[in-house]
Amino acid sequence: GEDVEQSLFLSVREGDSSVINCTYTDSSSTYLYWYKQEPGAGLQLLTYIFSNMDMKQDQRLTVLLNKKDKHLSLRIADTQTGDSAIYFCAETLYSSASKIIFGSGTRLSIRP
Amino acid sequence: DTAVSQTPKYLVTQMGNDKSIKCEQNLGHDTMYWYKQDSKKFLKIMFSYNNKELIINETVPNRFSPKSPDKAHLNLHINSLELGDSAVYFCASSHLEAVPETQYFGPGTRLLVL
Repeated sequence: GEDVEQSLFLSVREGDSSVINCTYTDSSSTYLYWYKQEPGAGLQLLTYIFSNMDMKQDQRLTVLLNKKDKHLSLRIADTQTGDSAIYFCAETLYSSASKIIFGSGTRLSIRP
Repeated sequence: DTAVSQTPKYLVTQMGNDKSIKCEQNLGHDTMYWYKQDSKKFLKIMFSYNNKELIINETVPNRFSPKSPDKAHLNLHINSLELGDSAVYFCASSHLEAVPETQYFGPGTRLLVL
């Protein structure tokens, strides 16, 4: 079945790295995404990874994909207060390219 | 130069009323979507239109009727509003053949049914 799971909350100290984890069940994922939702705003695409890749780095963001374990993670280096948001993991499937399945979102809070 | 816009931003109404939410995109995309985000932030797709034709229709009550007058617009009409319809409704758009098919989201319409 189609299921994407994330832990609901993560709290990190400013300047530390944040690691947000996600697991998915469908092995026919083509692309996996990380979206960011700031308070009162819509979702903004942060980054994505193709399912045949293991890692993708984009400035402070590092995405790791373990296809065997169906595990995706987003690492944010040097976390800042502006990184406070809800982070959604999402996937598109080979069978339905236009349908994105979202996880429940992880609320990242930054403490001084 | 807003990419995906929605109106209204906030909507407060009584149970039983009929209301519409409008969405417009100026990105030249051919596919548009409606999502519902509940109070726990779960985000679920409701409908998707490609070139004005319905391509995704999840299990949504008949009271919800999307309408796409052209590729740049996708409106959502809701009849006989119920308390459980209270949520944030997001419109999104994409180019179906893009690789990857990235969806761009509007700012959301916060619907409160009293």
